[in-house]
Amino acid sequence: DGGITQSPKYLFRKEGQNVTLSCEQNLNHDAMYWYRQDPGQGLRLIYYSQIVNDFQKGDIAEGYSVSREKKESFPLTVTSAQKNPTAFYLCASSEMNTEAFFGQGTRLTVV
Amino acid sequence: AQSVTQPDIHITVSEGASLELRCNYSYGATPYLFWYVQSPGQGLQLLLKYFSGDTLVQGIKGFEAEFKRSQSSFNLRKPSVHWSDAAEYFCAVGADNFNKFYFGSGTKLNVKP
Repeated sequence: DGGITQSPKYLFRKEGQNVTLSCEQNLNHDAMYWYRQDPGQGLRLIYYSQIVNDFQKGDIAEGYSVSREKKESFPLTVTSAQKNPTAFYLCASSEMNTEAFFGQGTRLTVV
Repeated sequence: AQSVTQPDIHITVSEGASLELRCNYSYGATPYLFWYVQSPGQGLQLLLKYFSGDTLVQGIKGFEAEFKRSQSSFNLRKPSVHWSDAAEYFCAVGADNFNKFYFGSGTKLNVKP
C-alpha cells in the first residue's frame, strides 16, 4: 500500500537531548513537509523540501533541522535549542499542484 | 500574506442535523482550497479540494463545499451528520505553486445523539 510512514508514534525526550523523527513515503512524491500541531493553533510549517538535497525553512524552523538525502525520506531532528518541543508532529508529501498526503503523526513529549 | 481563518473553534450538532463549517482565506492569487478531517491522535485525511471550475465541489463521506470568491470563503457542508463525523476539521489553502500549504486553526465537531 502506498503511503507515508512516521515513526515512532510516541517519543519521549529528556531536557537537552536531540531526537529524530522518521518520515518515509512510497508515493514517489517530490515534495515533503513537516508540520507541528498544538491545540488550538492548527498546523504550522516547520520545513519543506521540493527536491532531494534541497529544503527550505517554514514559519517555525528555529530549533529544528532536516535532511533530504533520498526522495522517499525526510527526517526531522528536534534539537535541544527547541525550548518547547512537546507537540504532535505531522509529515506530509505531495506532487506539484496537488493535495498533501499525511502520515499518522508522532507525539513528542519532554520528560 | 496568506492566511486561513476558521471562526468556529467548537461546534455541536445533533445527529441527523445539517452542518456548515466556515472557512475564510486571504490570498492574492487564485486559491487552491482544501478541507481535511482529523480523528484524535491521527493524521489528516482529505475530504475535498477546489482547484478551478464548478464552485460547488463534492467530497467523500457526503461532504460538499462551495467556493465563493466574492466572500473569500470555502464553507464545508453536510446535509445530515452522523455520529462518526465527530472529529476536527481543517481548511487549507495551497500557495506559491504548492510550495506551501496554509492551514486554519481547526473546528472541532461534536455530535449529540
